[in-house]
Amino acid sequence: AQTVTQSQPEMSVQEAETVTLSCTYDTSESDYYLFWYKQPPSRQMILVIRQEAYKQQNATENRFSVNFQKAAKSFSLKISDSQLGDAAMYFCACPGSARQLTFGSGTQLTVLP
Amino acid sequence: GAVVSQHPSWVICKSGTSVKIECRSLDFQATTMFWYRQFPKQSLMLMATSNEGSKATYEQGVEKDKFLINHASLTLSTLTVTSAHPEDSSFYICSAGASGETDTQYFGPGTRLTVL
Repeated sequence: AQTVTQSQPEMSVQEAETVTLSCTYDTSESDYYLFWYKQPPSRQMILVIRQEAYKQQNATENRFSVNFQKAAKSFSLKISDSQLGDAAMYFCACPGSARQLTFGSGTQLTVLP
Repeated sequence: GAVVSQHPSWVICKSGTSVKIECRSLDFQATTMFWYRQFPKQSLMLMATSNEGSKATYEQGVEKDKFLINHASLTLSTLTVTSAHPEDSSFYICSAGASGETDTQYFGPGTRLTVL
């Protein structure tokens, strides 16, 4: 079974600054993707970024990037130039053999103006 | 692309009644859909995996006779909460994977169920 751990229940960042959200995982799958989703107050789950585990290069999507350390099973999310709209709950997720996702407990990000 | 809808967005029902929630993939076909449950300030918990044309696979502890899942087509899955009780009140979210995008799931906007 997959396990996903997010050790930061809450984080805050000043607008325009950079923040890193941490995530560690464990899976028995040999080929897998990892995901970060955000859930704003509307509660709509939005895909932020995904990383293919067999790729060494860290994924980047505009202001969002990951630091993927496969050996350490670490998958952190870096948000650069934080904006007020980035405020949300962020979930790290790891899929199982049937593509079902296991989510971490989430990190509530507050962006301070 | 990759839009998933859910209906209704919220529902209030009396204890003992049944409620059906629909999940549709609007612009892609989904052989597999997933149903999650989320309590306030908590993470998403997988309830079941819905496979088109076959029986759903339920997670441990989820009552299959209470939470009926039907995946009749490649774009529609339904979750029926039978004989609902106040403890079934929660936020229910579905997701679907787009063909060709390994493991990536796209989520519906969720359904808030309140059982009186």
